Amino acid sequence: AQKVTQAQTEISVVEKEDVTLDCVYETRDTTYYLFWYKQPPSGELVFLIRRNSFDEQNEISGRYSWNFQKSTSSFNFTITASQVVDSAVYFCALSEPAYNTDKLIFGTGTRLQVFP
Amino acid sequence: DAGVTQSPTHLIKTRGQQVTLRCSPKSGHDTVSWYQQALGQGPQFIFQYYEEEERQRGNFPDRFSGHQFPNYSSELNVNALLLGDSALYLCASSTPFESTDTQYFGPGTRLTVL
Repeated sequence: AQKVTQAQTEISVVEKEDVTLDCVYETRDTTYYLFWYKQPPSGELVFLIRRNSFDEQNEISGRYSWNFQKSTSSFNFTITASQVVDSAVYFCALSEPAYNTDKLIFGTGTRLQVFP
Repeated sequence: DAGVTQSPTHLIKTRGQQVTLRCSPKSGHDTVSWYQQALGQGPQFIFQYYEEEERQRGNFPDRFSGHQFPNYSSELNVNALLLGDSALYLCASSTPFESTDTQYFGPGTRLTVL
């Protein structure tokens, strides 16, 4: 079955701390895509990253980094030196293109609060 | 470059009524997907439209229907509203012709059913 689990419901940190958001997925396919989206209080989902199942290289973009490990079916997201503007709900999502659709399966999200 | 737009921003309806939500995709995109996000939950896939046809549907009743127009914009219709239909409705656009095929979301329509 396809499923995305974000076990951390809410995380609170103080500005400048590093924080890691966990994501574990289940899929029946060998070809799939993983995503992270940010949802600020305004409600719009902001795309952060897309990863395909054949590329296990970790990625860094500024203060953001992602660790993809197929062996543990995890795709974790780390924010280095967090800032108040990072406060939002973060969603991990999965898609399986073999079924002729790019339907996204979302986790339940992790609410990150960064305090000054 | 215009992003995904949705209207209206907020909507209040009563049980049993019908509602229509609208979405215009990002410039250059031809595929529109609709999601329902209940409070405190992740978005749930409703359906996806491509070339004016429903390509796939999630686990939603027939009260939820949609349409895609030749200009790729889309509507989501919900009939016989229930209290449980109260949620944020998100529209996302994409295109199979981009290498990333990533979905970009609009700001959503918050529907309240009283």
